[in-house]
Amino acid sequence: GQQLNQSPQSMFIQEGEDVSMNCTSSSIFNTWLWYKQDPGEGPVLLIALYKAGELTSNGRLTAQFGITRKDSFLNISASIPSDVGIYFCAGGNAGGTSYGKLTFGQGTILTVHP
Amino acid sequence: SQTIHQWPATLVQPVGSPLSLECTVEGTSNPNLYWYRQAAGRGLQLLFYSVGIGQISSEVPQNLSASRPQDRQFILSSKKLLLSDSGFYLCAWKAGANVLTFGAGSRLTVL
Repeated sequence: GQQLNQSPQSMFIQEGEDVSMNCTSSSIFNTWLWYKQDPGEGPVLLIALYKAGELTSNGRLTAQFGITRKDSFLNISASIPSDVGIYFCAGGNAGGTSYGKLTFGQGTILTVHP
Repeated sequence: SQTIHQWPATLVQPVGSPLSLECTVEGTSNPNLYWYRQAAGRGLQLLFYSVGIGQISSEVPQNLSASRPQDRQFILSSKKLLLSDSGFYLCAWKAGANVLTFGAGSRLTVL
């Protein structure tokens, strides 16, 4: 089945630093999503990407849909303590027998030191 | 607006006991619904999905089952829990083009 390789697995950074994480896939997706999960909560959508090469920003977050459709990255600029959490990439394919199912990466645990 | 509810939020059960986790969605009709499991705060594994009442698709063989008795209700069950069933169970609905919205989760500990 499809697998997503997300890296790094964890990051320890100082407040104010920029963060970059990425996902690669063995298969093509036509949708890439980035979620954030706070402890004990469900994941919350940060950014959705629907087109190869698309670059989308949401505040201090920027994500890109790789041109090969097999990868995506997420950047966080000027990190703040509330950025702490687990970040997940997810890939999906619309239509057909996909039924909206998403495949998730293993997550990047982000720790921000004040 | 649409909301998704899961309960119970936390559950501690002995090995061999039954399980029932419930998920309901409000503010939408005929949603696609999903059960994911998350072990040890890491990646999410799709367990079941449903595209309509009474329709269940299983993604992985396991000790769990799912049912959809009503349009906006999705239930995860087990007749006899195993230690390996412990985890964080997340219900989700398809909120848009390939976007899933998740509930707050149910944490199950099997002792």
